[in-house]
Amino acid sequence: GAVVSQHPSRVICKSGTSVKIECRSLDFQATTMFWYRQFPKQSLMLMATSNEGSKATYEQGVEKDKFLINHASLTLSTLTVTSAHPEDSSFYICSLLSTTEAFFGQGTRLTVV
Amino acid sequence: GQNIDQPTEMTATEGAIVQINCTYQTSGFNGLFWYQQHAGEAPTFLSYNVLDGLEEKGRFSSFLSRSKGYSYLLLKELQMKDSASYLCAGRTTDSWGKLQFGAGTQVVVTP
Repeated sequence: GAVVSQHPSRVICKSGTSVKIECRSLDFQATTMFWYRQFPKQSLMLMATSNEGSKATYEQGVEKDKFLINHASLTLSTLTVTSAHPEDSSFYICSLLSTTEAFFGQGTRLTVV
Repeated sequence: GQNIDQPTEMTATEGAIVQINCTYQTSGFNGLFWYQQHAGEAPTFLSYNVLDGLEEKGRFSSFLSRSKGYSYLLLKELQMKDSASYLCAGRTTDSWGKLQFGAGTQVVVTP
């Protein structure tokens, strides 16, 4: 069964609005989750590391005020894309790590119109 | 930065064998993953090598040489459904052990 559940799978929003994406760990408590973004025909680019109960750690070039990450519990991390623009349209996917495997959510296809 | 390099695209015929190479900087990584990703879907785990050598799982095998910073994924008896992107990812040595992905290799299987 799924280890990570991500919702929504698809969302279309208007420019200037905000979108929240949820990532839930189903099988174990995750103190750390990872958020990736993937543009068409490109690889997964790590955006940030989400830490339960503390601030997220963002990769270079990722705007922390635009991509808000909240990891309030051991089973839930959320990514909010604020003031979305068409260039934010992408595939967003969360992940958590065990000792030997990285588990991914189903991904969220965001389209900003 | 810590580069991970793999070919952009490979084409092979159904029933054939294809080997996807991945090279990486030896410092900064301890362990290498391979994932398969179909367009618009989440990646699917294929293998994880942390020690040198070959690991075989059915039609898929993965090899790692830590001293050379080299890995490959071997796909045997190719099927049409194997057409996908194959991602090589190094596990970083930072406190989280986060994954850094290569650009992916698009494998096209032809009849």
